Amino acid sequence: GAVVSQHPSRVICKSGTSVKIECRSLDFQATTMFWYRQFPKQSLMLMATSNEGSKATYEQGVEKDKFLINHASLTLSTLTVTSAHPEDSSFYICSAGKSTGNTIYGTQYFGPGTRLLVL
Amino acid sequence: AQKVTQAQTEISVVEKEDVTLDCVYETRDTTYYLFWYKQPPSGELVFLIRRNSFDEQNEISGRYSWNFQKSTSSFNFTITASQVVDSAVYFCALSEPKAAGNKLTFGGGTRVLVKP
Repeated sequence: GAVVSQHPSRVICKSGTSVKIECRSLDFQATTMFWYRQFPKQSLMLMATSNEGSKATYEQGVEKDKFLINHASLTLSTLTVTSAHPEDSSFYICSAGKSTGNTIYGTQYFGPGTRLLVL
Repeated sequence: AQKVTQAQTEISVVEKEDVTLDCVYETRDTTYYLFWYKQPPSGELVFLIRRNSFDEQNEISGRYSWNFQKSTSSFNFTITASQVVDSAVYFCALSEPKAAGNKLTFGGGTRVLVKP
């Protein structure tokens, strides 16, 4: 299988607080995980690439101090939205790449997503 | 630069009709991968298929089929005899291992509404 979990599934917080979202690959190891953001009725926007044991690579326009990513193990990556504001409200989705056979670049399997609402 | 275009933003059909979703991509690499994902109302993206650039064989999986044509840079997806449970947003995506590692570039998505 290739199951990716995310926690929490939904979070409501007050403006100014920080929120941590966990992404876990349950039945495989993932050296690389990805974090996406999705606004209503829009496509997924890649925020950053999370590499186990090293710093994350952020896409242009994404504030690394705002969205802290930690990839502490081969099965866990976390995204922390620091000092959240209402404009950070969105659907955050993580994915983990699973390699098959001799293919280095695997298929990405997605978590169920986290809906963040900042009041 | 890699780009994926899904020209149809929304398609509405009646149950049992066939529906074809178009996907056109742009890439400079000779080695690349194409994907289709389904996103039901719950939000989770469900992997449907992966195809590498060297494999142009069409594929059928149950009511789903895919038509990959390198000559037109297209990777179209057909749902045969659609059902209400097929209602979702479908995303086509591209990855270029050499240029972008395992990153995915998504199309804008096509919302499919299957009415009973």
